[in-house]
Amino acid sequence: GAVVSQHPSRVICKSGTSVKIECRSLDFQATTMFWYRQFPKQSLMLMATSNEGSKATYEQGVEKDKFLINHASLTLSTLTVTSAHPEDSSFYICSAIGQGANSPLHFGNGTRLTVT
Amino acid sequence: GESVGLHLPTLSVQEGDNSIINCAYSNSASDYFIWYKQESGKGPQFIIDIRSNMDKRQGQRVTVLLNKTVKHLSLQIAATQPGDSAVYFCAEKEAHGNEKLTFGTGTRLTIIP
Repeated sequence: GAVVSQHPSRVICKSGTSVKIECRSLDFQATTMFWYRQFPKQSLMLMATSNEGSKATYEQGVEKDKFLINHASLTLSTLTVTSAHPEDSSFYICSAIGQGANSPLHFGNGTRLTVT
Repeated sequence: GESVGLHLPTLSVQEGDNSIINCAYSNSASDYFIWYKQESGKGPQFIIDIRSNMDKRQGQRVTVLLNKTVKHLSLQIAATQPGDSAVYFCAEKEAHGNEKLTFGTGTRLTIIP
């Protein structure tokens, strides 16, 4: 079945550094990918919608200069957390949808980011 | 409905019993609803979905009920097993435009052996 892979699954970084998270669709072409953030014991909050070959659409309150999204191909989207701070520590999850009407949405297994 | 940072409600059920998890949504324009299961440290896993032209849909051991009048969605899990212990989220999507999902608050289900 279709699989979405995220890498890394866990990352620890120092405050002020940048971290890149990759989201890959392994056996289908994803025209659209979504990035979510989930704090402990809370729901998934959509951060941005990423369309291949165009700029991402960010949700209200999400800083586009801080959370850089690149969707350079139909199988890869990246989220870069720039100048990370401890409050950016969270569980980041991507999802991808294939081409065609009624294509299902597939989720990655998330990336646990800890900023020290 | 939209999550506003609330702590997760919890539900404990004896193994073998049936469980019902509820979800209220607020967007009248939503026409597609999905239930997801999320285990610790993992991404959401699709369980079952339903479109707004239906009020009930059944899967293997799971049933989703949709009441559009009161904007309420429920997930029934029959004959619960220890592996059903997880956090369950409902998600909704609008009829037109983009494919983005809005997730509900979530419910932590614990199956008691």
